[in-house]
Amino acid sequence: DGGITQSPKYLFRKEGQNVTLSCEQNLNHDAMYWYRQDPGQGLRLIYYSQIVNDFQKGDIAEGYSVSREKKESFPLTVTSAQKNPTAFYLCASSTQGASDTEAFFGQGTRLTVV
Amino acid sequence: DAKTTQPPSMDCAEGRAANLPCNHSTISGNEYVYWYRQIHSQGPQYIIHGLKNNETNEMASLIITEDRKSSTLILPHATLRDTAVYYCIVRVPRYSGAGSYQLTFGKGTKLSVIP
Repeated sequence: DGGITQSPKYLFRKEGQNVTLSCEQNLNHDAMYWYRQDPGQGLRLIYYSQIVNDFQKGDIAEGYSVSREKKESFPLTVTSAQKNPTAFYLCASSTQGASDTEAFFGQGTRLTVV
Repeated sequence: DAKTTQPPSMDCAEGRAANLPCNHSTISGNEYVYWYRQIHSQGPQYIIHGLKNNETNEMASLIITEDRKSSTLILPHATLRDTAVYYCIVRVPRYSGAGSYQLTFGKGTKLSVIP
């Protein structure tokens, strides 16, 4: 089935370590996004990518990095520079063409720093 | 994208219609109104969107006021599975030629469907 897959669902990291969250989609979507969600809060945009080999910072990009080497994949690295990395991370994708109406979200990765 | 205002929480009896309001008084002429919902610990799910005409699909109806400064999402017969946080977003879709890739979410409305 077509969809967007995030892995792992739960992730634990020691303070000071970098960690990479996976996001893969087989919807043939051009655009992909990463959001962060804290308890009781809405989604905040970290990075987004409109096309392969291109990406832009969102509202809270500091301490994060991304790459977009393939259309299907948009991994997010949470670096040690991110001061409060514990959160729920959501990846999404959407089309670029005339049918652009909605974004599809993955089921999220819950990152906990221990 | 224009800012939206939603009540933080609402209750609805099971089987009754749930009417979720959203204010977007600074919406511009080419911005659409989108609704998503997020069930606890899952990714948001698209519900419906519209520009100025009322819209209906299998999930919900969207009523947009004539001045477009507010809208209401209607779930005609709420079930327990509709308990979720509902987000109202206004944005310009990219097929309009001036759209943004950004989706800006607020805190939404937490809808609790009561048995």
